Amino acid sequence: QLQLQESGPGLVKPSETLSLTCTVSGGSITSNTYYWGWVRQPPGKGLEWIGSIYYDGSTYYNPSLKSRVNISVDTSKNQFSLKLNSVTAADTAVYFCASRTWIQLWLDYWGQGTLVIVSS
Amino acid sequence: EIVLTQSPGTLSLSPGERATLSCRASQSVSSSCLAWYQQKPGQAPRLLIFGASSRASGIPDRFSGSGSGTDFTLTISRLEPEDFAMYYCQQCVGSPPIFTFGPGTKVDIK
Repeated sequence: QLQLQESGPGLVKPSETLSLTCTVSGGSITSNTYYWGWVRQPPGKGLEWIGSIYYDGSTYYNPSLKSRVNISVDTSKNQFSLKLNSVTAADTAVYFCASRTWIQLWLDYWGQGTLVIVSS
Repeated sequence: EIVLTQSPGTLSLSPGERATLSCRASQSVSSSCLAWYQQKPGQAPRLLIFGASSRASGIPDRFSGSGSGTDFTLTISRLEPEDFAMYYCQQCVGSPPIFTFGPGTKVDIK
């Protein structure tokens, strides 16, 4: 059973880069079975899919965030990471890492989420 | 861009009652791409239904999904106290898929 756990700073200054890591247990980050991704949720609001990465390094992103997002994999640590640059207060949200089996079209494994506040 | 609309925004019901939640897409959506999630405060979303009508592992049979095209429904046949939560529908488009979520329906206790 896959388990995902987010980590990273809870406070980021405007215009800086938000960086989060998701540690995977119960499965290998290099497996061709899963897509690894991120979803966020501003306080009191709905869910927004950010993007995903496959074991071969291929990435695909929400068009609305594509210019500011990078998702990468660290195979040595069984982790994947999110970087979102030029953040504003609108990027304040709970960030979830989430994964899906490659053939499936839904997200069946989720981390518990981590709140990131963008403020000076 | 396909936009999902969920109605009602809030559904106030009593335990034991039937809940019917709607998810409407601005264009036809593949049923294989339609999923429902439950989210409780402070928790991650939990997958309930995938492929519009298949229950995820461990999901009680009081939860059912139906629909096709642009209109999808999540039904909770008899509400249990633990079912009062937010519910989101999700669709996807393209390959690899881009995911979008509806704005959610809150089921609260009347």
